[in-house]
Amino acid sequence: GEDVEQSLFLSVREGDSSVINCTYTDSSSTYLYWYKQEPGAGLQLLTYIFSNMDMKQDQRLTVLLNKKDKHLSLRIADTQTGDSAIYFCAETSTDSWGKLQFGAGTQVVVTP
Amino acid sequence: DADVTQTPRNRITKTGKRIMLECSQTKGHDRMYWYRQDPGLGLRLIYYSFDVKDINKGEISDGYSVSRQAQAKFSLSLESAIPNQTALYFCATSAGHNEETQYFGPGTRLLVL
Repeated sequence: GEDVEQSLFLSVREGDSSVINCTYTDSSSTYLYWYKQEPGAGLQLLTYIFSNMDMKQDQRLTVLLNKKDKHLSLRIADTQTGDSAIYFCAETSTDSWGKLQFGAGTQVVVTP
Repeated sequence: DADVTQTPRNRITKTGKRIMLECSQTKGHDRMYWYRQDPGLGLRLIYYSFDVKDINKGEISDGYSVSRQAQAKFSLSLESAIPNQTALYFCATSAGHNEETQYFGPGTRLLVL
């Protein structure tokens, strides 16, 4: 099956920028998503990008997509303690009939 | 009120017991999904349903069954629970029809002893 890979852990100081990276293998990806999971909670949709875009900005969040390299990143500006969570990258494609393929998640820890 | 709800939120059961996890949604979405989350493995799809008459196996359906009782309700059953089914289970919904964004419930934490 198709794979989505993320690094498992990121530590960042409060006020700095965080960059979470994701790579995927599906050439027919249509939408790529970033979800956030806080402790004890479900997954919250943060943002998504359509595969014909290369950048999307939403307040402190910037998503960059390099379709040639199949690389997706999420940048969080001015990282706050409330940004501590697990971040999941996910993709869907024309072949997957609406099903999402998730990465394993990146644990982001924000230190004072 | 939450758009996607799951009951129970926590459950402890014993090996061999049958249990049911329930999911309800008020989003009016046709598509519903069941996932399990294990540390370091992300979310894996168990079953999905694109409408009331449609049920499909996902990546890891063995040992599970589902029922789509109505557009708003999708339940997951473990016929005979085993310890390696201990996990966090999530229900999700999507509108479909080229709108694939999925919305998740709060999860059910299941422990099988």
